[in-house]
Amino acid sequence: DAKTTQPNSMESNEEEPVHLPCNHSTISGTDYIHWYRQLPSQGPEYVIHGLTSNVNNRMASLAIAEDRKSSTLILHRATLRDAAVYYCILRRAGANSKLTFGKGITLSVRP
Amino acid sequence: EAGVAQSPRYKIIEKRQSVAFWCNPISGHATLYWYQQILGQGPKLLIQFQNNGVVDDSQLPKDRFSAERLKGVDSTLKIQPAKLEDSAVYLCASSLSPGQPSPLHFGNGTRLTVT
Repeated sequence: DAKTTQPNSMESNEEEPVHLPCNHSTISGTDYIHWYRQLPSQGPEYVIHGLTSNVNNRMASLAIAEDRKSSTLILHRATLRDAAVYYCILRRAGANSKLTFGKGITLSVRP
Repeated sequence: EAGVAQSPRYKIIEKRQSVAFWCNPISGHATLYWYQQILGQGPKLLIQFQNNGVVDDSQLPKDRFSAERLKGVDSTLKIQPAKLEDSAVYLCASSLSPGQPSPLHFGNGTRLTVT
């Protein structure tokens, strides 16, 4: 399975935008880019996913590089509640495709 | 909609004892997953069910771990006998269908401490 690389941690200020990077240089054409986040003492929570085009939803935006070797999760206005571990995961198209978690990036939000 | 329900929330046992965890997925979700999350690491898939059949159990330590989903709804994960290294959070997740792009919905997990 293709792997992703994320920084270990990042800090941001409350009410400012946050850009969380993810590298996936060995991505294949059938891999979707997924983001999940895990708040303290909770299970992971789906955030967003995309294939080639940028995607927006109520939680975040996903910007995908033209060559698809990297992507960025954008939180438009960070809140204290956004402090969590964010996982960037490649998930292959097709039935029974796995969701394999790495270590993720720990986001801290300063008030 | 109600989320994925797991119980118990916490469990402390001694090594060599047995333990069982229960999961009730979101209604209508055919696919159910059990993950193990050791402190400081991302979750690791143990087993995946499609209805009441096993799709993937390649990372389940079958000498001590077992799981079932008899009626294709709720599921139990059992460890017998437990080892110290089994201390972890056990997460259950469900999805509407097994593949892309159906997202996984996770419960809040059972935190197991083996002493």
